[in-house]
Amino acid sequence: DQQVKQNSPSLSVQEGRISILNCDYTNSMFDYFLWYKKYPAEGPTFLISISSIKDKNEDGRFTVFLNKSAKHLSLHIVPSQPGDSAVYFCAARGGADGLTFGKGTHLIIQP
Amino acid sequence: EAQVTQNPRYLITVTGKKLTVTCSQNMNHEYMSWYRQDPGLGLRQIYYSMNVEVTDKGDVPEGYKVSRKEKRNFPLILESPSPNQTSLYFCASSLSGGLDGYTFGSGTRLTVV
Repeated sequence: DQQVKQNSPSLSVQEGRISILNCDYTNSMFDYFLWYKKYPAEGPTFLISISSIKDKNEDGRFTVFLNKSAKHLSLHIVPSQPGDSAVYFCAARGGADGLTFGKGTHLIIQP
Repeated sequence: EAQVTQNPRYLITVTGKKLTVTCSQNMNHEYMSWYRQDPGLGLRQIYYSMNVEVTDKGDVPEGYKVSRKEKRNFPLILESPSPNQTSLYFCASSLSGGLDGYTFGSGTRLTVV
């Protein structure tokens, strides 16, 4: 049973526009949520996180929103840049059990 | 430079031949984990460790062993590799296992024939 779901395998966005990546989860015990970015042939890179007691966290062009009642979080990238083209993974932590990842969304920024 | 170092980066081996993938971090992190990445399946946790001598199974531990004898090292051991363990493996570490996120190594691409 997949506890963290990213239902869009890919997303194409025009440069300068907003990119919105979505993630749903089923386990209400998750206490932290994180977003990672991954380029081919490299390890994932931590982008931004949010605690389950908050509903928004912002860091430069990246904002993560958490809707606990809907068990949904999203990553907004504004404005989107060509270097943002990568695979984005949503991850969640439940206590001390390490991270559970979604399957990833391939973001393509078009010029 | 703060980093997680995995070796080797690439490995081709034969079924049944024991192998070890090493992982070392220089950030004095408490938490370390191993993940495998497969097409269409994302990243799945194999094992994790919260401190020295403390390890626990993740979502896909079958066929793998780990040890945490010292804080900086967390090797992944495949006692008898099989073709279904062909994958891209990542080691990661974190100070608190929480909002600071995990730092990942560059990956080890393993092929078992």
